[in-house]
Amino acid sequence: EVLLLESGGGLVQPGGSLRLSCAASGFTFSHYSMSWARQAPGKGLEWVSTLSGSGSNPYYADAVKGRFTISRDNSENTLYLQMNSLRAEDTAIYYCARTQFPIALAVYWGQGTLVTVSS
Amino acid sequence: QTVVTQEPSFSVSPGGTVTFTCGLSSGSVSTTYYTCWLQQTPGQAPRTLIYNTNTRSSGVPDRFSGSILGNKAALTITGAQADDESDYYCVLYMGSGSWVFGGGTKLTVL
Repeated sequence: EVLLLESGGGLVQPGGSLRLSCAASGFTFSHYSMSWARQAPGKGLEWVSTLSGSGSNPYYADAVKGRFTISRDNSENTLYLQMNSLRAEDTAIYYCARTQFPIALAVYWGQGTLVTVSS
Repeated sequence: QTVVTQEPSFSVSPGGTVTFTCGLSSGSVSTTYYTCWLQQTPGQAPRTLIYNTNTRSSGVPDRFSGSILGNKAALTITGAQADDESDYYCVLYMGSGSWVFGGGTKLTVL
């Protein structure tokens, strides 16, 4: 069974940093690209970032480029999202997803972790 | 900036058929956009129903089907049930490793 478990969310002040983690199980982690998407309160979904299985090819939405860094540890089956220079508009539930590049952004989703950027 | 368009809302009677569409502010949606369709109920994570335009995810009933209709991608639900009442999102692959979500369609079953 494919399981994705996000952690690391919380309350952070504007300009601060946070690192999200996504622990994966039930599949060969290194064989799949992985992605992050987010959903602001009461709003729709937004693609954030995708990383290839090897970790060599990261892709970012314009809204986060230069502030967020996606990475992975294939030995630990874990995906990360380092978020710096956080803004109020980054407040959202962040979901990780297993990606089947390019035919499916997400076939499997985690349950999400809430990030709140507020003073 | 390309905008992915969806109908804001739809209603359907139990047992009825409904078709949502997913279009582009400029241009046509084709199979090269690898359309995915997601279902999300309030407070829950999304669930992928369809990917690669018309491939059902594991466990998704065949009441849900994806297609290209004219210049848009489409999701059709046949035999609508009460628990189909959800938000439905499409997401398109725009190339160069990027995706764009539509704004979502709220389905009411009544």
